[in-house]
Amino acid sequence: QVQLVQSGAEVKRPGSSVKVSCKASAGAFGGYAINWLRQAPGQGLEWMGGILPISEMTKYAQEFEGRVTITTDKSTSTTFMELNSLTSADTAFYYCARESAPLAPGGTWWFDPWGQGTQVTVSS
Amino acid sequence: EIVLTQSPGTLSLSPGEGATLSCRASQSVSSSYIVWYQQRFGQAPRLLIYGASNRATGIPDRFVGSGSGTDFTLTITRLEPEDYAVYYCQQYGRSPPTFGQGTKVEIK
Repeated sequence: QVQLVQSGAEVKRPGSSVKVSCKASAGAFGGYAINWLRQAPGQGLEWMGGILPISEMTKYAQEFEGRVTITTDKSTSTTFMELNSLTSADTAFYYCARESAPLAPGGTWWFDPWGQGTQVTVSS
Repeated sequence: EIVLTQSPGTLSLSPGEGATLSCRASQSVSSSYIVWYQQRFGQAPRLLIYGASNRATGIPDRFVGSGSGTDFTLTITRLEPEDYAVYYCQQYGRSPPTFGQGTKVEIK
């Protein structure tokens, strides 16, 4: 069973960028899209985008297009999410999660399993 | 995008009682492409139900998903202490995938 392990908490200034990593511990890394979702304090879940590592094809939610970049390093089974131009509204837990079906673009099916989450705080 | 509305916002129930959680979609969800997640405090979401009514691996049979079209339900037949959590529905029938705002099941 694949496990996703994310990098640690980050504190950033408004206007800066954050880059969060997600490492898959086992399983067929390349063939399943890795997605990024976020959860603001006391709020629900929001899909940001995903990448299919085997093709490096990305798909982003319209709300984040142009501000988020998702990349992958197949040699280390690690996926990265970089979010630019941070504001206080970006303060949230950020999760990576694997697409449930192989070879599908991100955001096509459901998400299982999930990483443990990374707290990103944007504050001056 | 498809908007999912969950109700009620909070359910206050005693252990052993049953819980009924609702998820209503702003438009029909094709092929019942609805899933349910459980999120315990301080944890990541965990998949419970996919395809509206199929339990994920290892999920007890007290969790029952049902519904079609625009109305979906998660029923927990008898609440156990570990079931107190927030539950989210998600649709994947149309991009982008979207989530309901969650129903919190708390101890009465």
